Amino acid sequence: QVQLVQSGAEVKKPGASVRVSCKASGFTLSSYGISWVRQAPGQGLEWMGWISASANNTYYAEDLQDRVTMTTDTSTSTAYMELRGLRSGDTAVYYCARDGVAVAGYFDYWGQGTLVTVSS
Amino acid sequence: DIQMTQSPTTLSASVGDRVTITCRASQSISYWLAWYQQKPGKAPKLLIYKASTLESGVPSRFSGSGSGTEYTLTISSLQPDDFATYYCQQYYSYSKTFGQGTKVEIK
Repeated sequence: QVQLVQSGAEVKKPGASVRVSCKASGFTLSSYGISWVRQAPGQGLEWMGWISASANNTYYAEDLQDRVTMTTDTSTSTAYMELRGLRSGDTAVYYCARDGVAVAGYFDYWGQGTLVTVSS
Repeated sequence: DIQMTQSPTTLSASVGDRVTITCRASQSISYWLAWYQQKPGKAPKLLIYKASTLESGVPSRFSGSGSGTEYTLTISSLQPDDFATYYCQQYYSYSKTFGQGTKVEIK
């Protein structure tokens, strides 16, 4: 069955970077894209960006594009999201989600979420 | 970015009620709309894509409709498992956006 399993919770200081992983199983990662979505405590869903696993094409949300990098490793079926220059407003649960191979798509499977806490 | 506005923000209903949630886009999104259900502490779950196509395994009491800028999610007979927060999401543009969510509460 399709599964996306994310890395564990992180606590970071302001200004630091965080990298979250998302290991895919039950499907061929290179045939899909992966989007990252975050949710601040008690808030709604915010799309962060998309990566095509086959071509490493990316498209980032405009307000994050200077701080975020998404990559994939098809040999291990793992996607990664790195966010730099962390600030308190980046405290959130970060989700990876299976997306289409083209940038415009919806999310049919989700990871379990990774809580990133930014605190001094 | 395309703005997505859901209404209402909160909805109080009873088991068995027919429930309708509306999602309005700031420009036409040509059916490229998905609906998700999220329960506390859990990842969202896809219910409907392309405005009206039911995802496999989703109960038939859920349905979606709409076109252009206005879309609706309907639950024909609310069940105890349906109390949750619902989000719409457009994928017409490369920069995808969600509505702010509608919380369906027990009346």
